[in-house]
Parts: sequence; structure tokens; C-alpha cells
Amino acid sequence: KAGVTQTPRYLIKTRGQQVTLSCSPISGHRSVSWYQQTPGQGLQFLFEYFSETQRNKGNFPGRFSGRQFSNSRSEMNVSTLELGDSALYLCASSLWPRIGAANTGELFFGEGSRLTVL
Amino acid sequence: KQEVTQIPAALSVPEGENLVLNCSFTDSAIYNLQWFRQDPGKGLTSLLLIQSSQREQTSGRLNASLDKSSGRSTLYIAASQPGDSATYLCAASGGSQGNLIFGKGTKLSVKP
Repeated sequence: KAGVTQTPRYLIKTRGQQVTLSCSPISGHRSVSWYQQTPGQGLQFLFEYFSETQRNKGNFPGRFSGRQFSNSRSEMNVSTLELGDSALYLCASSLWPRIGAANTGELFFGEGSRLTVL
Repeated sequence: KQEVTQIPAALSVPEGENLVLNCSFTDSAIYNLQWFRQDPGKGLTSLLLIQSSQREQTSGRLNASLDKSSGRSTLYIAASQPGDSATYLCAASGGSQGNLIFGKGTKLSVKP
């Protein structure tokens, strides 16, 4: 079956612009998590959505936001881009939300969206 | 707060060698630990998932162990091949933190 699909794969923006990234989870998966990966900080958790509700949020400013649709597809948005937002943004899906006892499922990642901010 | 550390940051070995990658975590109250592989510019590929009740998991030439009491996990790669060259990441999951906490990874180079 198809894996996690992220679009676009590459994009270049300038400071001050905004960007929207899309993620389609594995069919049947209802939880979508977003991570930012940079050479200096490694992988950092942004947020998780399950059943169209944000279930968990990492330590990022309010410029980073997301949402999930009824078909489990998710988007994340970054407004007022800064140079430091240049990163690989990774989406991951799992069957269940990653909270409490349900936090035992395997996480599957997409290929990522490479954002460059000039 | 969970912290995950991977040592060494980089490792170079000749083809055919057996090797061990190390991962340590500070909070033993984890639900599971997952090992991933990442090729340059690519996403993460899940290799093995070990639940907190398990001691180890095996897949082909890979074997991962988990020792919660000591806060350690190891990934054993048997008979390494050049195609194994990649960055290997471990991530711990559990407690009130629903998200996976990742280590910085070990960059493995297997030379022919």
C-alpha cells in the first residue's frame, strides 16, 4: 500500500512569506505528526493531529500551525518565514494517537519537504 | 524530560564487519523505542520497533535490544554491506510526551 506522501518535495521562499506543506498519511492511519529536521537541532517535534484535533504540540512559535481534514490528510503552515526556518519538514503517520497507552504503534515517515528560506 | 543520546556520531567500518550502534535514554518510563534509517536528503525508514515489554527484535541482519533499567538500546548489524551506509536514528516514546524523542543519529559508512 502507498506510504506517507508529502508535497511539495522542494520549495524556496523568501523571508516574510508564508508556506503550506501537505501530508497524506498511510491509508487507514488517523494520526499525523510533524517534525522539523535541521543539522544543528536534529529532529524536533512540531505537533500531532488525530481526528482533526491537535493532540500534542512541541515548543515552536505560533507562526507554525497545522490542521487535519476529515480524510486524515494534514497541512502545516509557517507564516512570516525566517532564515532559521530552512529545514526538512517530515510528516509521520500512525494508526492511533501517540498519547498514553495508545502510544505503542509504529511511526511511518514520508520523504519530507525541503524548505529553503532566502 | 526525555533525552536520547547516540554514540558515536559517526562510524566507518570495512565491508563484512559486524557492528553495534548505541542509544541511551534518560527516562526509563518508555512505551517503545524505534530505530530508523535515513539516507541523505530522504525521509526516515522504520527498521525495528521494540515495545517496552520486549527485550529485542530482529529483522534480517538487524537485531535491536532494549534494556529499560539501564536506559540503553543497541542496534546490531551483522555482515555489514556498503548499502548499509546511512544515518541511523533511535527514538524513544512514552510517558506524558506523546511524541517520539530522537537522538542525533550515528552516521555509518561501510567501505567496500
